[in-house]
Amino acid sequence: DTAVSQTPKYLVTQMGNDKSIKCEQNLGHDTMYWYKQDSKKFLKIMFSYNNKELIINETVPNRFSPKSPDKAHLNLHINSLELGDSAVYFCASSNGISGSYNEQFFGPGTRLTVL
Amino acid sequence: AQKVTQAQTEISVVEKEDVTLDCVYETRDTTYYLFWYKQPPSGELVFLIRRNSFDEQNEISGRYSWNFQKSTSSFNFTITASQVVDSAVYFCALSGPYNFNKFYFGSGTKLNVKP
Repeated sequence: DTAVSQTPKYLVTQMGNDKSIKCEQNLGHDTMYWYKQDSKKFLKIMFSYNNKELIINETVPNRFSPKSPDKAHLNLHINSLELGDSAVYFCASSNGISGSYNEQFFGPGTRLTVL
Repeated sequence: AQKVTQAQTEISVVEKEDVTLDCVYETRDTTYYLFWYKQPPSGELVFLIRRNSFDEQNEISGRYSWNFQKSTSSFNFTITASQVVDSAVYFCALSGPYNFNKFYFGSGTKLNVKP
């Protein structure tokens, strides 16, 4: 069974379009994340939700809007896509915010290509 | 400020050689967590180990071992008798203490294991 799943796996779109990436976890975790991995493999956190509440919001253009309908789902909507948004986006989840056993489990990634 | 440095951008070894991946971290805090993740060519991120700042015991898991030294702020990862399947990008990460959910990733070390 897939622990953290993302759809779609690949996303190719034109500049200016709006797109969404969906993430679901079946680990029973209460915290979920979105990361961006650029072409040089650098991983940077974008957002994190704990029990549907936003707890991390890094300096990300407001064209990016996360939405967490429940603690098992965290979606990422991107408006007015730009060339620089091309990257691999990873969803992750972890258990708790106290620090114990806080390793994050990652989804397979969504490769976004903006043309 | 929290920072993780993986100075080795890329390492190439021949199968069965031992290899050590370096990780140096910076933090002013006394409570923190350190992690290693593996990203094989297929792209997913796989959790390998978590270590908290109060536990300096080295850990061994099969061919993998980790050496945590607070005196040098290092958390190095050694693969003994490397195999082709070990070829991947390896990331070291740091979190804590005010927000254990916020991971600071190093830039990764690409390991090539040749047959």
